[in-house]
Amino acid sequence: EIGLTQSPATLSLSPGERATLSCRASQSVGAYLAWYQQKPGQAPRLLIFDASKRATGIPARFSGSGSGTDFTLTISSLEPEDFAVYFCQQRSHWYTFGQGTKLE
Amino acid sequence: QLQLQESGPGLVKPSETLSLTCTVSGGSISSSNYYWDWIRQSPGRGLEWLGTVYYTGGTYYNPSLSSRVTMSVDTSKSQFSLKLGSVTAADTAVYYCARHPFTSHYFDSWGRGSLVTVSS
Repeated sequence: EIGLTQSPATLSLSPGERATLSCRASQSVGAYLAWYQQKPGQAPRLLIFDASKRATGIPARFSGSGSGTDFTLTISSLEPEDFAVYFCQQRSHWYTFGQGTKLE
Repeated sequence: QLQLQESGPGLVKPSETLSLTCTVSGGSISSSNYYWDWIRQSPGRGLEWLGTVYYTGGTYYNPSLSSRVTMSVDTSKSQFSLKLGSVTAADTAVYYCARHPFTSHYFDSWGRGSLVTVSS
């Protein structure tokens, strides 16, 4: 099983600031990585797939980068609605998720 | 707009079988373009993919759970189902049904989730 480790566990920022979230895979997943946003009481929402492609309707302030084992989700300027938990997910070998980063 | 809705008992006794159904509306479960998934989330285990079913009935299961998981599809009812046998407290979680496209293998639509508690 491919493990995904996200850091930091919690990120404390203010609206307007830049957020940088990390996801590291236990072995190479190529570019087969996605990012999801989850708000309390809701299901996760797909933000980024194939490491850097924005899903339909996702604002341009969300961007993804990386390949192999190291990936980054960047939110260029935080809006109030961006404070949530973010998960990464790989599809290189079956499907596994990271443990999440809480953006507060 | 596609909607997925989980249904089933919220409480299951240890050693029994957890059964959930997902009803698909606003789209066709018989589309060759999509797979249908079960994913669960718990504080201890995080998000965990359980398995996938295709409209033809073909299935793929998480190897760590494959001995206890069975999934099926009923296209006439636009539903797919999950059975998880021999449950323990560790199977207490929010269970989501979801969809992923044939081409991308990322989960682009999710149900609202159904909390299942395993307790006597």
